[in-house]
Amino acid sequence: AQSVTQPDIHITVSEGASLELRCNYSYGATPYLFWYVQSPGQGLQLLLKYFSGDTLVQGIKGFEAEFKRSQSSFNLRKPSVHWSDAAEYFCAVVSGYSTLTFGKGTMLLVSP
Amino acid sequence: DTEVTQTPKHLVMGMTNKKSLKCEQHMGHRAMYWYKQKAKKPPELMFVYSYEKLSINESVPSRFSPECPNSSLLNLHLHALQPEDSALYLCASSQGERGGSDEQFFGPGTRLTVL
Repeated sequence: AQSVTQPDIHITVSEGASLELRCNYSYGATPYLFWYVQSPGQGLQLLLKYFSGDTLVQGIKGFEAEFKRSQSSFNLRKPSVHWSDAAEYFCAVVSGYSTLTFGKGTMLLVSP
Repeated sequence: DTEVTQTPKHLVMGMTNKKSLKCEQHMGHRAMYWYKQKAKKPPELMFVYSYEKLSINESVPSRFSPECPNSSLLNLHLHALQPEDSALYLCASSQGERGGSDEQFFGPGTRLTVL
């Protein structure tokens, strides 16, 4: 069965510093991978997705992610974090029936 | 229009009440989803409708009853809920392609409190 692991429950980053959020997946076939962001009490917004092709994926709000099959990873990065990026971030993988399996999430805190 | 709307935003209900949550999308999507999300947890899938037919029920208690009146609307009828059912209920939609390549668009959610 497919699964997603986000090893960091919380991460604190200084404003303007770079960010990397980790995501590891377990899936037998070619994975379809997503990163979503959720502000408190809000719905989920898609940041980026990987289906195939170029392993470096660009998303909205200056985020990017790199798919590494050899490491079963899909880490999210941003070169310079803004205070408004503070939120919960979920990595997810899609199964063959279009159902999403989410990781437990990483809470990003941004310090001044 | 790339938006999924949900009403109401907040709902407080007693354990004997009957209420409904509503979700709407006008993107022509043929798959719609209900998720339940507890605080500090990821969303948990409850139901999937594909082409207006219930395709997945993740062993959800019968006090939750989904309904898909047409391809744009999804309802979740609530009856005799328990306090532990208090959560954020998220609706999502996608094009409905099989094979795992669907991108799901989420609504803002309904914050449900059961007293």
